[in-house]
Amino acid sequence: GAVVSQHPSRVICKSGTSVKIECRSLDFQATTMFWYRQFPKQSLMLMATSNEGSKATYEQGVEKDKFLINHASLTLSTLTVTSAHPEDSSFYICSAKRPNQPQHFGDGTRLSIL
Amino acid sequence: SQQGEEDPQALSIQEGENATMNCSYKTSINNLQWYRQNSGRGLVHLILIRSNEREKHSGRLRVTLDTSKKSSSLLITASRAADTASYFCATDLTSGYSTLTFGKGTMLLVSP
Repeated sequence: GAVVSQHPSRVICKSGTSVKIECRSLDFQATTMFWYRQFPKQSLMLMATSNEGSKATYEQGVEKDKFLINHASLTLSTLTVTSAHPEDSSFYICSAKRPNQPQHFGDGTRLSIL
Repeated sequence: SQQGEEDPQALSIQEGENATMNCSYKTSINNLQWYRQNSGRGLVHLILIRSNEREKHSGRLRVTLDTSKKSSSLLITASRAADTASYFCATDLTSGYSTLTFGKGTMLLVSP
């Protein structure tokens, strides 16, 4: 149990495009979902935390207008990178959890902006 | 600054050997978790050790925690080529599993 699906796994697009990444908890209801960013050979950096039905809480330095997060249901959260530029290229990973349970991670999305 | 720092950054061993990775952190924690990440994939939770525990085992994994030194170690015994991956420690400041802070990871290469 506790499977998290992230889609797409890879995106290549032109600069200026907006890209939406989906994170779904397949077999449990996730009250909280997290979005992380990972640069090559680096650690995961938390971008934002979202609770179902409420606005996401962004970490310091993360632009909320740039990285739009929607957690519309207990099984789905989306991250939209608006007007993406080459510096937004990275590996984005989501995780989902239930109360008092560990986070379960998706397989990540490799975003490449040309 | 990051809470967890692993060392070594990279470790290369032969199949059958043991692999030891260390993690140091700076502030008090509720628990510490170890994760594995295969190249280009998400993270897989391996083991969690609470601040009042000193050692924990799971299969070929052995984790220790020394809160006085603010350090933890992950030992993989009798390593296999399939253990090749990056290993991250993550500290959790609360009991709710929501405040994970990851280290930079140790890249383990196990050669056949």
